[in-house]
Amino acid sequence: GESVGLHLPTLSVQEGDNSIINCAYSNSASDYFIWYKQESGKGPQFIIDIRSNMDKRQGQRVTVLLNKTVKHLSLQIAATQPGDSAVYFCAENLFGGFKTIFGAGTRLFVKA
Amino acid sequence: ETGVTQTPRHLVMGMTNKKSLKCEQHLGHNAMYWYKQSAKKPLELMFVYNFKEQTENNSVPSRFSPECPNSSHLFLHLHTLQPEDSALYLCASSQERGTENYEQYFGPGTRLTVT
Repeated sequence: GESVGLHLPTLSVQEGDNSIINCAYSNSASDYFIWYKQESGKGPQFIIDIRSNMDKRQGQRVTVLLNKTVKHLSLQIAATQPGDSAVYFCAENLFGGFKTIFGAGTRLFVKA
Repeated sequence: ETGVTQTPRHLVMGMTNKKSLKCEQHLGHNAMYWYKQSAKKPLELMFVYNFKEQTENNSVPSRFSPECPNSSHLFLHLHTLQPEDSALYLCASSQERGTENYEQYFGPGTRLTVT
């Protein structure tokens, strides 16, 4: 039969607008979370991380929010730029552990 | 540019071939990882090495054989692969695990096609 690829959720935003990418994580025992960005032809690149004892962390133009009650992460990108176009992955870890579990990813398109 | 290099960048091999993927990190890290990224599944962890010792084997078939001779180099030896093994194989490194969590730095990957 015909093979089917992974259908990534897609977010399309206008340049200059804010973007919000959401992620549901799987393990309630996970206590370290990371957002990665993957551009075409490259490996994933670290953006920002957060530990479970926090519910918000800010970086340069990016903010991560963590809601442990509903096992939800979000990544907010302020003033989205064309260079932000990529696939964004959330990942979860048990603190100090070796196994990182990645989400399926969200594709962000930025319209100029 | 991330400090993690992978060779080759592209590889086409038959099912009876034996080949190896190489990864090298120039970041002074002590943990190294192999991941598989395919069109059908999210990024999958395959193996983890911490201070040259294998600490994670995520139920990977024996036709994939990792080797970590030192903290800077990681290999993935391939033999008798199947077409469904075609994917992007990513190497990553981080500071040592166990007492802290650190982000991983990824190489550009090797695009593998099994014919």
